[in-house]
Amino acid sequence: DGGITQSPKYLFRKEGQNVTLSCEQNLNHDAMYWYRQDPGQGLRLIYYSQIVNDFQKGDIAEGYSVSREKKESFPLTVTSAQKNPTAFYLCASSEPRGAHSGANVLTFGAGSRLTVL
Amino acid sequence: AQKVTQAQTEISVVEKEDVTLDCVYETRDTTYYLFWYKQPPSGELVFLIRRNSFDEQNEISGRYSWNFQKSTSSFNFTITASQVVDSAVYFCALGNMLTFGGGTRLMVKP
Repeated sequence: DGGITQSPKYLFRKEGQNVTLSCEQNLNHDAMYWYRQDPGQGLRLIYYSQIVNDFQKGDIAEGYSVSREKKESFPLTVTSAQKNPTAFYLCASSEPRGAHSGANVLTFGAGSRLTVL
Repeated sequence: AQKVTQAQTEISVVEKEDVTLDCVYETRDTTYYLFWYKQPPSGELVFLIRRNSFDEQNEISGRYSWNFQKSTSSFNFTITASQVVDSAVYFCALGNMLTFGGGTRLMVKP
């Protein structure tokens, strides 16, 4: 079955450490996204990529970095510069870009929960 | 800037009750899309519906129905005869890249 795989599901980090969250999709989707979810809040966009080797900052990109070397993969690195990294991170992908890209339905992974100790 | 407001942070109902989840949005775009997603305890968001701004017809899918009113910038979601399996967080979202509301946690008690 096609879908999005995020790993690890749970991750603990000490302050000052960088961590990388994995996101892999086998849906042949061009676009991929990273969102952050905090308790009681909606999802906020961190980074997105509409094509391989290209990505754009979202609303809360500070302290995060991404790469898109392969269509299937969009890893997110939470750097030590991120002041409050404890959160639930969701990766998503969507169909190939078209004239109505705003209509694209996102498929989400099961998420990665990061806790800073 | 776009904004989505879900004023109800948490709703609790007893099984078989009907429940409506409110969603109000702001956008300057003349053409836009609205979405509802469900987030069960497993964490993965599941797509429920997409509606474009040109289509104001209400939609029904089984026990689910959606009321889109452009005049009031609202896109409300009703679950009829709620079931315990409907317990989840429901998100309303708008447009490109999805601007999400804060979500409404629905608890359906047996």
